[in-house]
Amino acid sequence: DTEVTQTPKHLVMGMTNKKSLKCEQHMGHRAMYWYKQKAKKPPELMFVYSYEKLSINESVPSRFSPECPNSSLLNLHLHALQPEDSALYLCASSPSGFLYSTDTQYFGPGTRLTVL
Amino acid sequence: ELKVEQNPLFLSMQEGKNYTIYCNYSTTSDRLYWYRQDPGKSLESLFVLLSNGAVKQEGRLMASLDTKARLSTLHITAAVHDLSATYFCAVGNEETSGSRLTFGEGTQLTVNP
Repeated sequence: DTEVTQTPKHLVMGMTNKKSLKCEQHMGHRAMYWYKQKAKKPPELMFVYSYEKLSINESVPSRFSPECPNSSLLNLHLHALQPEDSALYLCASSPSGFLYSTDTQYFGPGTRLTVL
Repeated sequence: ELKVEQNPLFLSMQEGKNYTIYCNYSTTSDRLYWYRQDPGKSLESLFVLLSNGAVKQEGRLMASLDTKARLSTLHITAAVHDLSATYFCAVGNEETSGSRLTFGEGTQLTVNP
């Protein structure tokens, strides 16, 4: 298995809902990432997990809560989001868990989130 | 703060022509990445450049890195329609963690028949 998968592909939620995004990889990668991408903009890093531990949090609001239950799975829990949080949420992984690794990142197809 | 600038941001070219996309960055870096993104799709890794003078080629695309000038180029040879996409360069820095990539704004390439 040589890909990163994400579910759901699309998600529409209200501002009072709680939902979760899921990301999986079975390539044995030890670093996993969440990015947010607005239309026609580059991805913005949100979180980095290294060896299943949160290593980087780019000052993301607490309404986004990441979780890494095991080395293959990464979740992003969403609660009380705002309309401006509507974006494409991308998950990525890279082979080494070493934060200074030069590995490239492998991206999943993304979840397109709309907050009403 | 690491800044990454790409130019041009928009590029419309005819099939068969050559062109170059430039990526400048503001501080010392030992790693530069090129990614491709098709509309509504995810990012695909194209090249990883890790040393001064590194050159990599894949099909009609060739990437190079000049760490002294803090410049990478992505050269397109004899463009074809299938190359239409947005191309991002991304720079990492060992001081701030190689995992923390700073992306350029992207170059939206359209190849016309």
